[in-house]
Amino acid sequence: RKEVEQDPGPFNVPEGATVAFNCTYSNSASQSFFWYRQDCRKEPKLLMSVYSSGNEDGRFTAQLNRASQYISLLIRDSKLSDSATYLCVVRWTGFQKLVFGTGTRLLVSP
Amino acid sequence: EPEVTQTPSHQVTQMGQEVILRCVPISNHLYFYWYRQILGQKVEFLVSFYNNEISEKSEIFDDQFSVERPDGSNFTLKIRSTKLEDSAMYFCASSSHGGVEQFFGPGTRLTVL
Repeated sequence: RKEVEQDPGPFNVPEGATVAFNCTYSNSASQSFFWYRQDCRKEPKLLMSVYSSGNEDGRFTAQLNRASQYISLLIRDSKLSDSATYLCVVRWTGFQKLVFGTGTRLLVSP
Repeated sequence: EPEVTQTPSHQVTQMGQEVILRCVPISNHLYFYWYRQILGQKVEFLVSFYNNEISEKSEIFDDQFSVERPDGSNFTLKIRSTKLEDSAMYFCASSSHGGVEQFFGPGTRLTVL
C-alpha cells in the first residue's frame, strides 16, 4: 500500500523562526514529490516540487532522501502569512494520481 | 495567471439525488482530475481523464460516479444517487502533461442531507 505520513502538528512558532517538516513515504518506486499548502477550507496550492538534489525557493527549501524515503520542507524567517497546512504529496511511478499526506499544520504567531 | 475554476462553490442536495459538479481546467492543459476531501481528512484521488477517456480511477470512483468533457472547456463530475457519505469538498485539477504539477480549482462543497 502506498502511503504518505506526516506529523499533523500543530507547530506553533513565532514570527522569524525557522521551522522544518518531514514526511515519509512507503514505497521506493516513487517518481515525483511536491509540497502543497492548504489554507482552511481552500484548495491545495502548489508550493514547490522537490528535486533529488534539493531545491530552494526564497525562504523555502525542500530536500529529498530516497534512501530513507523522506522529504523535508524548511521555512526560514517565518511570516504570519505562512500559517497554513503543508501537504506532502507523492506521485508513484506508473500512476498519474497524487497521493496526499494528512498535512502538517503551522501556526505563526506575532 | 490562468487558473482552474469550479461551479457551484456550494451544492446542497437530498440523499438519492443526482448532482453535477463543473470545472473549467486551465486552457492548454491536457490532463484533468477530480479529488475529494472529507472534512478533517486528507485529499483523496478519484479519477484522471486524458484524451476523452478515464486513464486512472480509485476504489472510491464506483458506478455512482462518472466524468465527462462535454465540450472543449468544461469537465464534469456526476454523482448519480448521492449518499450522506458523499458530503465533501470536491476539487478539480489539471496539468499540462501526466506526471507534472497539478493545479487545483477552488472546490465545490457538496452537502448531502
